[in-house]
Amino acid sequence: NAGVTQTPKFRVLKTGQSMTLLCAQDMNHEYMYWYRQDPGMGLRLIHYSVGEGTTAKGEVPDGYNVSRLKKQNFLLGLESAAPSQTSVYFCASSQGQPYGYTFGSGTRLTVV
Amino acid sequence: AQSVTQLGSHVSVSEGALVLLRCNYSSSVPPYLFWYVQYPNQGLQLLLKYTTGATLVKGINGFEAEFKKSETSFHLTKPSAHMSDAAEYFCAVSRSYGNNRLAFGKGNQVVVIP
Repeated sequence: NAGVTQTPKFRVLKTGQSMTLLCAQDMNHEYMYWYRQDPGMGLRLIHYSVGEGTTAKGEVPDGYNVSRLKKQNFLLGLESAAPSQTSVYFCASSQGQPYGYTFGSGTRLTVV
Repeated sequence: AQSVTQLGSHVSVSEGALVLLRCNYSSSVPPYLFWYVQYPNQGLQLLLKYTTGATLVKGINGFEAEFKKSETSFHLTKPSAHMSDAAEYFCAVSRSYGNNRLAFGKGNQVVVIP
C-alpha cells in the first residue's frame, strides 16, 4: 500500500551515540515533516522540507539534523543522543494545501 | 501564526453516549481545519477536514465536525460511542494560503466506558 514508511520502529541508544531515522514516501509528495510526540506535549515539529534539497527548522530543532537528498526520503539524524530525546518520532508527508498530512507509524526511541 | 486549543486532555464517555471533543482555533486568514485520530502504537490518521463549502463535514467511523467561524470552533462529535473509538484525537489548523504548516492541538485521550 502507498504511504509513509519509517525505519526502524524501535531503537535503544546510549547517551552520546548517533543514529539516523529514515522516512520514505511513495506518493510523490513535495512536503515532508519530522515530529516528536511526548506525553502531554502533543506533536512538536522538529524539521521540515518543502521539496527535494530543502530543509527548514521547526519548533524544536536543537540536537537534530535532517537531509532531503531525494524527493522520496527524509532523514532525521541525532549526532549525540541525550535522554531528553527519548520520544516517539513521526514522519509525515503532504502534497500541499488542502490535503493535510499522511503519517508514518512512528519510531519509538529510548536514550539511556 | 495559527494555533489550536483542545481542552481536557482525557475525556471519558460511556459506550453508546455522545462523543464531543472541542477545538478552538486562532488564525489570521481563512483556515483549513482537520481532525486526526491516533490508535495505540500507531500513527495519526485523517478523520475529516474542512476546507471550503459546507460547514458540516462528515468523516470516517461516524464522526462529524462543524466549522463555526463566529465561534472560531471546529468541534468533533459522534452520536454513539463505540469501544473501538478509544484513541487519541488531535485537532489541527493550517492557513488557506501560504505555507503548508499544520498547527496541532495537544490532543484528547478518549476512554470509552462499557
